[in-house]
Amino acid sequence: AQSVTQLDSQVPVFEEAPVELRCNYSSSVSVYLFWYVQYPNQGLQLLLKYLSGSTLVKGINGFEAEFNKSQTSFHLRKPSVHISDTAEYFCAVSDDDMRFGAGTRLTVKP
Amino acid sequence: DVKVTQSSRYLVKRTGEKVFLECVQDMDHENMFWYRQDPGLGLRLIYFSYDVKMKEKGDIPEGYSVSREKKERFSLILESASTNQTSMYLCASSSTGPEAFFGQGTRLTVV
Repeated sequence: AQSVTQLDSQVPVFEEAPVELRCNYSSSVSVYLFWYVQYPNQGLQLLLKYLSGSTLVKGINGFEAEFNKSQTSFHLRKPSVHISDTAEYFCAVSDDDMRFGAGTRLTVKP
Repeated sequence: DVKVTQSSRYLVKRTGEKVFLECVQDMDHENMFWYRQDPGLGLRLIYFSYDVKMKEKGDIPEGYSVSREKKERFSLILESASTNQTSMYLCASSSTGPEAFFGQGTRLTVV
C-alpha cells in the first residue's frame, strides 16, 4: 500500500512570508495526490489535487503544488501567507483507497 | 455541493459502552470511509466500503466494526468502548473519482 510522509510537523512563519510544506509519497504505480486543510474543530477541506496533466496544480486560497514524479514529491507552496492560513495541512495519496500523512501545522504569526 | 453529515460533533461515553457513530452522504457515492485522527499520527483508515453490505478493513480495524445497510449511510461501531479510542473520527465518501469529501468530524471522549 502507498504511504505519505510529511517532512515537517510544524511550520511557523510570519505573515506575508512565503511557505512550503513538504510531502513525499511512496508508490510504484500511478497515483492521485491531494492536499487538504483542516481549520480548528472542522473536517477536511480540499485545497488542490493532482490527477494527471500539468505538474503544477493551483488550488484555492492562493496555494499551489508541484508534482515531481522522479522525486515522488508533491510540495505545497504559497508566495505570501495570511493569518487566516493558520491550520493543519494534510497530504494524501489515493489509488484504491486514500492514505494521509501525519499533518503539518502551519502557524502564521503577525 | 456534496454533503457528508456525521450525527454528532461531540460525544462522551463510558468505558465498556457500545457506541454508534453515524455518517450519511447525499450524493449517491459508492465509497465510504471511516478514519480516526490523532495528533502526530494524521488520519488512519479504520474501515471502508465500496458498496452496500460490503466492508474492507483498513489499517487499524481492531476494536471497531462497521455497517452499511443503505448506500447513503455508513456506521462505525465500537463494541466496547475503551479510553484508547478517545479520538476525532472522520467520515468521508467518494464516487468514481478519487477525491474524498469529509464530514465535520465527531470528537469522542471515553471516560
